[in-house]
Amino acid sequence: NAGVTQTPKFQVLKTGQSMTLQCAQDMNHNSMYWYRQDPGMGLRLIYYSASEGTTDKGEVPNGYNVSRLNKREFSLRLESAAPSQTSVYFCASSEVGASREGQETQYFGPGTRLLVL
Amino acid sequence: SQQGEEDPQALSIQEGENATMNCSYKTSINNLQWYRQNSGRGLVHLILIRSNEREKHSGRLRVTLDTSKKSSSLLITASRAADTASYFCATDAVMNAGNMLTFGGGTRLMVKP
Repeated sequence: NAGVTQTPKFQVLKTGQSMTLQCAQDMNHNSMYWYRQDPGMGLRLIYYSASEGTTDKGEVPNGYNVSRLNKREFSLRLESAAPSQTSVYFCASSEVGASREGQETQYFGPGTRLLVL
Repeated sequence: SQQGEEDPQALSIQEGENATMNCSYKTSINNLQWYRQNSGRGLVHLILIRSNEREKHSGRLRVTLDTSKKSSSLLITASRAADTASYFCATDAVMNAGNMLTFGGGTRLMVKP
């Protein structure tokens, strides 16, 4: 199993350009998440999808949109990139609602490094 | 604001020593998790401790949870150079919808050979 995969690995954008970050998981997880991580800091939740067909805002959703394309794929779109969106973006997935220990664990992709000039 | 705050922000020790990292949080939780992040990589889950548990072990890792003080600690015994990484606590707060986790700012651990 590949786990959680993200594309691209690196991207440089100019202010105002748009782009979509792709994420896919092959673990049949219900929930998927997008985080951003700024230098020296922890992760902040941008959007999440508790199940196929639903999406909800996290802590820092402004400037982003998401699409839960199917159970496997969850994309993050920047419509008009700004320098403040320079960050490392992580996608994660997990099972939700299971009572067994460890089911709430989140599994992370390798990240996308985005630089907005 | 972040739910979890780690202390210290950075820790440097010699190989073979023990490393202790602390995490404090603000609201009631279902569970608390510790993750590790190697430089330039994604996070990897280390251990989960539930709100009704006080201590948990996994290999060289020992986690404690004190819900009355809203704090947790991660102890890595007999550290190795390969343990060099950032360590994050993450809380699954009772008030959160779904399986949302709130991450702290992390402790950067350096283990010198």
